[in-house]
This record gives sequence, structure tokens and C-alpha cells, in this order.
Amino acid sequence: QWRLQESGPGVVKHSGTLSLTCTVSGGSIRDYSYYWGWIRQSPDKGLEWIANIYYTGNTNYNPSLKSRVTISVDTSLNQFSLDLTSVTAADTAVYYCTRPRLGGAPREALDLWGPGTMVTVSS
Amino acid sequence: DIQMTQSPSTVSASVGDRITITCRANKSISSFLAWYQQRPGTAPKLVIYKASTLESGVPSRFSGSGSGTEFTLTISSLQPDDFATYYCQQYNRYSRALTFGGGTKVET
Repeated sequence: QWRLQESGPGVVKHSGTLSLTCTVSGGSIRDYSYYWGWIRQSPDKGLEWIANIYYTGNTNYNPSLKSRVTISVDTSLNQFSLDLTSVTAADTAVYYCTRPRLGGAPREALDLWGPGTMVTVSS
Repeated sequence: DIQMTQSPSTVSASVGDRITITCRANKSISSFLAWYQQRPGTAPKLVIYKASTLESGVPSRFSGSGSGTEFTLTISSLQPDDFATYYCQQYNRYSRALTFGGGTKVET
């Protein structure tokens, strides 16, 4: 059974870099041509798609965040990661890693989510 | 980006009620629309995809309809487990980003 688990610091300093990792279990990150992704949720902005990545490294970014975001994949560790630079209080949110229902599609419904990790930007 | 607008933001209902939630897109998204259920403190759970296809394991009291710019999620007979917040999400292949509606909270 596939599972996703987010990990990373719960607090990041203002203007610093938020770095999170998602560990995939129950299958290989190379399987089924999935685009592995990140979504965040905050009371102000609701659910916001951040980016996704294919195991070969092909990436898609939300244009509103693209200048500050890098998504990467490590197939040897079965993980993918998110870096968000120059963070502010507006980046305080619960961050989820996700898997789409179908492989091969960078835009798809999401049928697997990690439990989420709360990240607070401190001043 | 394609903007998604849900209404109402809150539904007050009782067990056994039939409820309908509406989601509108500001551009046509064909049938590339998903619905999620989220309970407090948990991740969203996929309920419906492709506007009207029930995700495996989801009770048949849930149904979705619509295409283009207007969509609905209906729960035919509300059960205690159904009190949650529901979100729509578009995944049109030609959009620059996945986008979500603002959510509808179903409360008693």
C-alpha cells in the first residue's frame, strides 16, 4: 500500500529557506509515471498547488511561486523534496505531498496525500 | 490561472438531508473537476474525479455532475461521517496550475 510522509523543520525564520522532504513507501517513485507533488493549505489562501515532478526530473511549477520554489527528486532514496526561498509569514501553512490518480499527467486529481506537516515562519 | 468559486461557504444540515454544493470555473475546464472531503486535522480525501466518477470506496450517496464551467456535488442522505469541508479542484490539461475552490463546510 502506497504511503507518503512529509518531513522537515516545523519552524523557519523569516527570509530563510523552507525545505521539506516526502518519503514514498509501498512502491517505487519510478513506477507508473506519476508526477509527485506538493500542495499547501493556509487559512488565508486555502489549498494552493505548489509544484510537481516526474522521476526523470521534469518539473511543473505554480507561476505565482515559481521564482522561489525548487522541487527535486532522489530516486535512490525514493524521496522528493521542496525548497521555498525568501519565506514570509504568508508561507506559514500545512504542507502536503501528493500523488495523482493517474500516471503520465502533470494535471490530475490527487488520490494519495501525506498527512501533512505544519510549517510556521517566525519573525 | 483558472479560478474556482464554491457556494455556499457553509451548509447547515441534519442527518438524512440531501445537500448540493456548487463549484464554478471562470473558464471551461471540460470535465476535469475533482471533489475532496476534508475532516479537521486530516488531509483531503478524493471523493469524485472527472466531474462525476466516484472514487473507489466512496459511498454511493455521493454524486457529482456538470461540465464546462458549472459543477455540483450532491450527498443524497447525509450521514454523521459526512460532516466535513468539501473542496473542488480543476485539473484542466491546458491550465498553468491546479486550482481549488475555497471550500464548503457542511455542519450540523
